[in-house]
Amino acid sequence: AQTVTQSQPEMSVQEAETVTLSCTYDTSESNYYLFWYKQPPSRQMILVIRQEAYKQQNATENRFSVNFQKAAKSFSLKISDSQLGDTAMYFCAWQTFYGGSQGNLIFGKGTKLSVKP
Amino acid sequence: NAGVMQNPRHLVRRRGQEARLRCSPMKGHSHVYWYRQLPEEGLKFMVYLQKENIIDESGMPKERFSAEFPKEGPSILRIQQVVRGDSAAYFCASSATSNSYNEQFFGPGTRLTVL
Repeated sequence: AQTVTQSQPEMSVQEAETVTLSCTYDTSESNYYLFWYKQPPSRQMILVIRQEAYKQQNATENRFSVNFQKAAKSFSLKISDSQLGDTAMYFCAWQTFYGGSQGNLIFGKGTKLSVKP
Repeated sequence: NAGVMQNPRHLVRRRGQEARLRCSPMKGHSHVYWYRQLPEEGLKFMVYLQKENIIDESGMPKERFSAEFPKEGPSILRIQQVVRGDSAAYFCASSATSNSYNEQFFGPGTRLTVL
């Protein structure tokens, strides 16, 4: 069975600094996607960034970037120039494709990030 | 274009009652996924539906839980004879198709409290 592990239950960072959140996953599949979702106190799930497993280039979205190490099954999220609005739970997630169709998302337990002024 | 709608946002039930959670997907979306988030946990997949069909219910408990997505109207997640362990946030997500990548857009969730 596929699993997603986030080993940092809580992290904090000073405003304007950089922080990296870790995620590892376990799968025998070759075709899949990886995601980072943000869940602020409102509990709304917001997609932060997506990485296709077949792409070697790491995805970036403004201040957010990933370090995707396929062989090591590692997928970390780097947040640069942290802002107070980045305070939230961050979930790493994995999704497969089977028979040409996308499957459900499998989530890690989350990392609670606090950005301090 | 309105996002994914869920109602009610908060639902309180006593043990043994029934809970009905509704999810209206985004316009043009015909695929719905239900997830459950227990306190201090990540979201866990429950069921995946297309219009009038259950595609994958491997994450749904065999007893007391059922889901439907009729041709007309919202998707419904039904929990019969609720117990305290059912207290959680229930999220639905919708996507346009399941062929190739299509982002799952999440609703705001329904927080179920069982007294």
